[in-house]
Amino acid sequence: DTEVTQTPKHLVMGMTNKKSLKCEQHMGHRAMYWYKQKAKKPPELMFVYSYEKLSINESVPSRFSPECPNSSLLNLHLHALQPEDSALYLCASSHQGAGNTIYFGEGSWLTVV
Amino acid sequence: ELKVEQNPLFLSMQEGKNYTIYCNYSTTSDRLYWYRQDPGKSLESLFVLLSNGAVKQEGRLMASLDTKARLSTLHITAAVHDLSATYFCAVDPLTGGTSYGKLTFGQGTILTVHP
Repeated sequence: DTEVTQTPKHLVMGMTNKKSLKCEQHMGHRAMYWYKQKAKKPPELMFVYSYEKLSINESVPSRFSPECPNSSLLNLHLHALQPEDSALYLCASSHQGAGNTIYFGEGSWLTVV
Repeated sequence: ELKVEQNPLFLSMQEGKNYTIYCNYSTTSDRLYWYRQDPGKSLESLFVLLSNGAVKQEGRLMASLDTKARLSTLHITAAVHDLSATYFCAVDPLTGGTSYGKLTFGQGTILTVHP
């Protein structure tokens, strides 16, 4: 089973709302990622978690707050977002170590109004 | 800053024809990934290329890696309509001799296969 599950699939939120995106995998992967993809653009890395610790933060604004409660779960907490943050948010996971396949979830489509 | 450049960005092919997508990158790496993305969908892993000279094939797609030239190719043989999608290459750079799964993607190649 090579599945990364993301919820919700679609989210519309106001600029003053607080919401969360959730990601789950049961492949025993110890590396998990958040990517952001704007329309007609390639994905861009936001965060990397390795063994439940944040290992890379690509200078993402603090209105995005990642959390890794355990080795299977990854959350992205959203607060005070801007309309330009509207995008497809992709969660991914892989076995730790270089060169392993990185599996992507179906994504969460976020619209900020 | 790592740059990953694909060409062409748009590719319109006839069914049955062959073509190649090129992916150039600007830093040392021996980890190169190819993904497919259908409209409104997520990324499907196609290939992971892990060393110089690596070649992998799956169906009508074949990918290769030349780390000395910093070039990967995705070759399409006898295209069929089902191959229509956006194809991304992505590079995992070495930092201090270690890679962290920190992918930088090319711009993507939008492939359309016509009857």
